[in-house]
Amino acid sequence: GAGVSQTPSNKVTEKGKYVELRCDPISGHTALYWYRQSLGQGPEFLIYFQGTGAADDSGLPNDRFFAVRPEGSVSTLKIQRTERGDSAVYLCASSLGTSQNEQFFGPGTRLTVL
Amino acid sequence: GEDVEQSLFLSVREGDSSVINCTYTDSSSTYLYWYKQEPGAGLQLLTYIFSNMDMKQDQRLTVLLNKKDKHLSLRIADTQTGDSAIYFCAETHSGGYNKLIFGAGTRLAVHP
Repeated sequence: GAGVSQTPSNKVTEKGKYVELRCDPISGHTALYWYRQSLGQGPEFLIYFQGTGAADDSGLPNDRFFAVRPEGSVSTLKIQRTERGDSAVYLCASSLGTSQNEQFFGPGTRLTVL
Repeated sequence: GEDVEQSLFLSVREGDSSVINCTYTDSSSTYLYWYKQEPGAGLQLLTYIFSNMDMKQDQRLTVLLNKKDKHLSLRIADTQTGDSAIYFCAETHSGGYNKLIFGAGTRLAVHP
């Protein structure tokens, strides 16, 4: 079956622009996570959805970052007024539920802000 | 606060055993994980251990957990060139769901 997919795989944008990153989780997975991985670092938690609602957005670095999951499946991470420091690989993961189920990671979107 | 630390680099000879170490701070973590990341590929879960276990073995992989010292290790027996990758240790957030806190990763280089 299909795994977690993320689009685009690469995004290059200019400082100050708006970007949207999309995540398609595994069908039937109710939990969805976004992480950000900067060069040479491990992934850092951004936000967690259970169904349509953001149950924990404590990892979002500031109010330029926002994420939605309107129908409880596909999720979009939105970044306004991008800054060079936003350059990173943005990873999405999904799992069956909120217990200790394995998280399946997508290949990530590499965002470069010039 | 929550923090996971790993050594950054390990070099081993093909056929030898590799041991990657990790320390964590959240004593309420219920699961601890090892993930593998290869260039151009996503994160792959290798193995995990429940916090009430001391050891878990899975083919060439052995995980040891010292909960008192908050120390986790991953041993790879008979290391192969295909094992060259970055290995991440991760603990779960203590909030009742599976938010992962990752270390910075250990780059394993396997040489002939």
